[in-house]
Amino acid sequence: EVQLVESGGGLVQPGGSLTLSCAASGFTSGNHAMSWVRQAPGKGLEWVSGIRGSSSNTYYADAVKGRFTISRDNSKNTLYLQMYSLRVEDTAVYYCAKEPYIGVAGSFDYWGQGTLVTVSS
Amino acid sequence: QSALTQPPSASGSPGQSVTISCTGTSSDVGGYNYVSWFQQHPGKAPKLMIYEVTKRPSGVPDRFSGSKSGNTASLTVSGLQAEDEADYYCSSYAGSNNVVFGGGTKLTVL
Repeated sequence: EVQLVESGGGLVQPGGSLTLSCAASGFTSGNHAMSWVRQAPGKGLEWVSGIRGSSSNTYYADAVKGRFTISRDNSKNTLYLQMYSLRVEDTAVYYCAKEPYIGVAGSFDYWGQGTLVTVSS
Repeated sequence: QSALTQPPSASGSPGQSVTISCTGTSSDVGGYNYVSWFQQHPGKAPKLMIYEVTKRPSGVPDRFSGSKSGNTASLTVSGLQAEDEADYYCSSYAGSNNVVFGGGTKLTVL
């Protein structure tokens, strides 16, 4: 059974940093692309960042480029999102999501339960 | 990376059919057959309902179907049931390893 479990969310001040983790199980993580998708309170879904399976190729939405870093440790089946220079508008539930392919395409077949990041002074 | 356009709301009575549209451009919806639809109930994570425009994952009822014409994709829910009431989001591959979502549609079962 595929499971994705996020952790690391919390309250952080504007300009601060936070690292999210997503522990994956039930599939060979190196064979699948992974992404982070966020949802601000009462708003829609927004793709944040993606990473190809078995490689270090990474991709970012314009809104977070240069401030967020996605990475993965396939030996630990864990996906990460390092977030720097956080802004109030980064406040959201952050989901990790798995692709059925090795590349990023938006066909997210499994999602975690989400972790809430609140940026506020 | 502009969001795809969805109607904010849609509704239908039990047993009826409803179609939700998702309009993009030739750079996303119209350019690739990687359009997906997700169902999200309040407080829950999204669930994949349709991928690659028309394909249904295992376990998704065949009452859900997808299609695409030009730059507009559509999700049709036939034989509406009370549990279909939820928010629905489309997504599309947008080239250069980017993904774009629609703004979401709140489906109400009357």
